Amino acid sequence: QVHLVESGGGVVQPGRSLRVSCAVSGFSFSSYVMHWVRQAPGKGLEWVAGISFDGSNRYYADSVKGRFTISRDNSKSTVYLQMNSLRPDDTAIYFCAREYEGGSAHPYLDYWGQGTLVTVSS
Amino acid sequence: DIQMTQSPSSLSASVGDSVTITCRASQSVSTFLNWYQQRPGTAPKVIMYAASSLQRGVPSRFSGSGSGTVFTLTISGLQPEDFGTYYCQQSYSTHLLTFGPGTRVDIK
Repeated sequence: QVHLVESGGGVVQPGRSLRVSCAVSGFSFSSYVMHWVRQAPGKGLEWVAGISFDGSNRYYADSVKGRFTISRDNSKSTVYLQMNSLRPDDTAIYFCAREYEGGSAHPYLDYWGQGTLVTVSS
Repeated sequence: DIQMTQSPSSLSASVGDSVTITCRASQSVSTFLNWYQQRPGTAPKVIMYAASSLQRGVPSRFSGSGSGTVFTLTISGLQPEDFGTYYCQQSYSTHLLTFGPGTRVDIK
């Protein structure tokens, strides 16, 4: 059974850093592209970052480029999001998700974690 | 960057009604368009991928259509468990995803 479990959220002051993690089980982690998606309180979904199966390629939304870094450790089946220079508008639930393509060659996010809340406030 | 819009932003319908949500892309995304359902307090769940392919386990009352820049998600025979917010998402830009702003569906 596939599981994605985020951790590391909490309250952090503006300008500080935080790293959130997503530990996965139930599938061959090193074969999949992984993403982080966030949702501010009462707002919609915003894609944040993605990382290729081997970590060699990383992709970022303009809103976090230069401040956030996505990485992965395939030996630990874990994907990370290092968030620096945090701002109040980074306050959100952060979800990790698996990208699946299958035979359709049309990728989509098929498994999601439950999310971890990051609150940026003084 | 590809921008996504959705209409309406919210709707209220009765059990048994048919409802349609429209999603538009700022440029062609071919059929690289997915739909997600999110109930309050839970993670999103994919219901449709590649514009018109029903995800395994999703009821057949959900259907999707479209290509290029205009897409629709239809729920034929709305059920109480269909409440929530629906998001479209393009995957045409490889690994650079964009979500629409969402359509909230309430049951009358």
